[in-house]
Amino acid sequence: QVQLVQSGAEVKKPGASVKVSCKASGYTFTSYAMHWVRQAPGQRLEWMGWINAANGNTKYSQKLEGRVTFTRDTSASTAYMDLSSLRSEDTAVYYCARDRGYYDSGTYHSNNWFDPWGQGTLVTVSS
Amino acid sequence: QSALTQPASVSGSPGQSITISCTGTSSDVGGYNYVSWYQQHPGKAPKVMIYEVTNRPSGVSNRFSGSKSGNTASLTISGLQAEDEADYYCSSYRSGNLYVFGTGTEVTVL
Repeated sequence: QVQLVQSGAEVKKPGASVKVSCKASGYTFTSYAMHWVRQAPGQRLEWMGWINAANGNTKYSQKLEGRVTFTRDTSASTAYMDLSSLRSEDTAVYYCARDRGYYDSGTYHSNNWFDPWGQGTLVTVSS
Repeated sequence: QSALTQPASVSGSPGQSITISCTGTSSDVGGYNYVSWYQQHPGKAPKVMIYEVTNRPSGVSNRFSGSKSGNTASLTISGLQAEDEADYYCSSYRSGNLYVFGTGTEVTVL
């Protein structure tokens, strides 16, 4: 079955960086884009951006652009989220979520919904 | 990047129907039929319930239905059950290859 398994919880100091991984199984990794979403404690879901797993093209939310980087390792079917210059407001559960899209004549088309989701990775930023 | 607006909480008795609204703008909800809805139980990852405004993924109960009028989308849960108690989030494509979530709604089964 299609599954996304994320790396374990992290505790970081302000100003540090964190890298979260998301290993995909049960489907062809390069056939779908991957989104990243975060949720601060008791708060709403916040879309962070997405990466085309085939060509590595990315799109970031305006709020995080400049601090966040998405990469992928196609040989390992794994997507990565790197967040730098961490501050306390970055304390959150970070999720990866597969895009439901398709390729048509070599062009990727998103169907604009997210399924499935990884189990989430708690990142705590504290001095 | 402003969120879509949802009511903070909605409640209903078992068997009743409830509706959750999701209000955006012509740049997101009103401009595209790309609204999806997610159910999230405490401590769990979200799960898609509705996509492209009205479509239900396989395995999702037909008690869940979606609609849209202008800049507002809605999720209706009919025949409310105890297991439906959760947080619900709408999401929409936003022009510029962006996405946005709603503020979230806590559903309580009385």
